[in-house]
Amino acid sequence: QKEVEQNSGPLSVPEGAIASLNCTYSDRGSQSFFWYRQYSGKSPELIMFIYSNGDKEDGRFTAQLNKASQYVSLLIRDSQPSDSATYLCAVQNTGGFKTIFGAGTRLFVKA
Amino acid sequence: DAGVIQSPRHEVTEMGQEVTLRCKPISGHNSLFWYRQTMMRGLELLIYFNNNVPIDDSGMPEDRFSAKMPNASFSTLKIQPSEPRDSAVYFCASSPGSADTQYFGPGTRLTVL
Repeated sequence: QKEVEQNSGPLSVPEGAIASLNCTYSDRGSQSFFWYRQYSGKSPELIMFIYSNGDKEDGRFTAQLNKASQYVSLLIRDSQPSDSATYLCAVQNTGGFKTIFGAGTRLFVKA
Repeated sequence: DAGVIQSPRHEVTEMGQEVTLRCKPISGHNSLFWYRQTMMRGLELLIYFNNNVPIDDSGMPEDRFSAKMPNASFSTLKIQPSEPRDSAVYFCASSPGSADTQYFGPGTRLTVL
């Protein structure tokens, strides 16, 4: 089992729809969770981070964390073509010394 | 702030040659990370430093790879000798602390012929 698993996609949604990106992790002691966005040919950039169970909202983005289920997700409301990118889930291991990245989910938003 | 700076941005070399990648982290950041990204393996952590000290190099694929951080503003990743399977994009990232958000440089695209 990989330490951080994501559906590789591609996930295709129409413009204006909600895109739901999911991630599971194996280290039950993990405390910090990050979502990065990576456009083709560019470097990853942080979208959101979450530390506590529940939802965290920032504009059109909502991160959801369920530590009991070892599950973290990212919702993108009112998806735009400019949201088309690869989304990387990153999980900090117990002790906070190492961040493990998932393989990423490719998202396509169709105009 | 200029962000994380990496050089060169592109490197094409022949198998067996030595390759040196360079990174300047964001001023004031205490942690520095080297990653490799390929289509097959995704983003892999190679090594990270905290306060210029290597903390975890378990991701370094083999002895051909070495990394140094002689001071807080400079790090190198060296591959000697290089092989075609080393072809990838190499990212350097820095963060204020090891548990914080990481800021990535633009990457170095390495092609080994």
